[in-house]
Amino acid sequence: AQKVTQAQTEISVVEKEDVTLDCVYETRDTTYYLFWYKQPPSGELVFLIRRNSFDEQNEISGRYSWNFQKSTSSFNFTITASQVVDSAVYFCALVNTGGFKTIFGAGTRLFVKA
Amino acid sequence: DTGVSQDPRHKITKRGQNVTFRCDPISEHNRLYWYRQTLGQGPEFLTYFQNEAQLEKSRLLSNRFSAERPKGSFSTLEIQRTEQGDSAMYLCASSSEQGLGRTGNTIYFGEGSWLTVV
Repeated sequence: AQKVTQAQTEISVVEKEDVTLDCVYETRDTTYYLFWYKQPPSGELVFLIRRNSFDEQNEISGRYSWNFQKSTSSFNFTITASQVVDSAVYFCALVNTGGFKTIFGAGTRLFVKA
Repeated sequence: DTGVSQDPRHKITKRGQNVTFRCDPISEHNRLYWYRQTLGQGPEFLTYFQNEAQLEKSRLLSNRFSAERPKGSFSTLEIQRTEQGDSAMYLCASSSEQGLGRTGNTIYFGEGSWLTVV
């Protein structure tokens, strides 16, 4: 069975602080994709990143960076110098390469205070 | 690209009434999904279409729920005899054929349709 765990339900930081959102996953498949989505108050889930299980290179995109560690089944997301506009719920997700059912974690609600 | 669009965005209905939601996927995407999201939870898979064929239905989808994608383009999700437990956001998503390009297996969501059953 596949499972995604986001242990942090809510995180509150002050603007300009760095924050890391944790994601741990379980799967028996050897090939899979991992994702992060952002859900602002408007409700739409916005795709942020896709990571292939073959590629453990960390990725940086502006203030966002992702740390994929297959050995610990983790795919953590760091926001550097957080801004108020980063306030949202963030979801980590998993799908196996041959599948179509993307499994989501319960999400982490991030509050960034000015 | 035009994104995934859903209609209506909000629906309030009385218990026992039928409701229908429509989804227009990204035009070149042949895969379409419906998910349901309740407060404080992540999206839960409901059903999946490849072109016009419905290939998978979750056990969450009781026989009061039916989804169609008649011409492999837009899709509808109907809930008959609504119950208060059906109150949730219904999300539609689409994706291209798996493994193609850098977006394969990535699902793109619409803004969702909020359902409140009173």
